[in-house]
Amino acid sequence: GAGVSQSPRYKVAKRGQDVALRCDPISGHVSLFWYQQALGQGPEFLTYFQNEAQLDKSGLPSDRFFAERPEGSVSTLKIQRTQQEDSAVYLCASSLDGESYEQYFGPGTRLTVT
Amino acid sequence: GNSVTQMEGPVTLSEEAFLTINCTYTATGYPSLFWYVQYPGEGLQLLLKATKADDKGSNKGFEATYRKETTSFHLEKGSVQVSDSAVYFCALSDLGYSTLTFGKGTMLLVSP
Repeated sequence: GAGVSQSPRYKVAKRGQDVALRCDPISGHVSLFWYQQALGQGPEFLTYFQNEAQLDKSGLPSDRFFAERPEGSVSTLKIQRTQQEDSAVYLCASSLDGESYEQYFGPGTRLTVT
Repeated sequence: GNSVTQMEGPVTLSEEAFLTINCTYTATGYPSLFWYVQYPGEGLQLLLKATKADDKGSNKGFEATYRKETTSFHLEKGSVQVSDSAVYFCALSDLGYSTLTFGKGTMLLVSP
């Protein structure tokens, strides 16, 4: 079956622009996670959804970052007024439920802010 | 807070050599431990996991044992192949809450 998909795969934004990154999780997966991976680093947690509820957003680096999952499936990560330090790969992962531990990752969106 | 420390790479080996990638962790509770692998141009994939002390996770010839006394989860493989060339990430998850904390990753390069 289809895995986690993300779009776009690559995004170049000028500093100050707003961007929206999309994640399509595996069908039926309850939990959805967003991670940020800077160059040469491991992924770092941004936010977590269980169905449409955002249960943890403690990893969002500033109030310019906003995520939603209004119908409990597709999720969008929005970054307003992008800054150069936002350049990274943004990873989405889904799991069947919050307790199953095995997360399935998408290929990521590489954001470059110029 | 939770943290994961793994050896810096790149690790460069010849085919059929023995592989060890060290991983140690700090956690407040009793975490589950994971190794993820990222092949060139692909997304992160779960390689193996262990959910309690002394458990051994294994997959595709790779093994790692959850050592609570040394807070370690070292990855090993007896004979690496060129196709094992990838970046390997050690990660942990607190029991009951599955957000992952990752190490920085270790690149493995295997030459023929």
